[in-house]
Amino acid sequence: DTGVSQDPRHKITKRGQNVTFRCDPISEHNRLYWYRQTLGQGPEFLTYFQNEAQLEKSRLLSDRFSAERPKGSFSTLEIQRTEQGDSAMYLCASSPGPRELFFGEGSRLTVL
Amino acid sequence: AQSVTQLGSHVSVSEGALVLLRCNYSSSVPPYLFWYVQYPNQGLQLLLKYTSAATLVKGINGFEAEFKKSETSFHLTKPSAHMSDAAEYFCAVTDTSGTYKYIFGTGTRLKVLA
Repeated sequence: DTGVSQDPRHKITKRGQNVTFRCDPISEHNRLYWYRQTLGQGPEFLTYFQNEAQLEKSRLLSDRFSAERPKGSFSTLEIQRTEQGDSAMYLCASSPGPRELFFGEGSRLTVL
Repeated sequence: AQSVTQLGSHVSVSEGALVLLRCNYSSSVPPYLFWYVQYPNQGLQLLLKYTSAATLVKGINGFEAEFKKSETSFHLTKPSAHMSDAAEYFCAVTDTSGTYKYIFGTGTRLKVLA
């Protein structure tokens, strides 16, 4: 499978715990995006990487959230001290250019 | 700033009937527009995209959309609904600020009745 891969697909955690999600983009894609999708809503932009540089962060990305893309390959999204409001689907997408995003299957987070 | 509005959060059609899902956009420059489909607990799959070529865009699974600049619309249609079309559909516009991130609408859930 050469698509965008996300891990884990599902994560259940208790409030206050830290969680980390991983995204492996399509290998030749230099652009990588993280989105958050809550129930009944469209995906909302969180952050964007071009190669290893994080070029844009949404105001949705509070200081409890951090994202990295070391060496411009895979990316991680970490949420510290999770809150119930963090429960959502976290979607990763990659792109070779500006005209199409390829999405992964998403990582669903449930915070109890 | 770019934005999209999807009219109708839920649409029901009978199997075999016309599907029409509405999307209006706001953009200060010629936009790139997209329709994505999402099945339960899955990611988003691209149905079709408009990138300033032909105004009538054909996509996968028999869907098509027409870009109408005068109406700032990009409605999605399919002549004959199939049960497998039941899903959530999202319209998106590209932000032209440099990141080219997508700005999504709130989605329309399509129900197909037997």
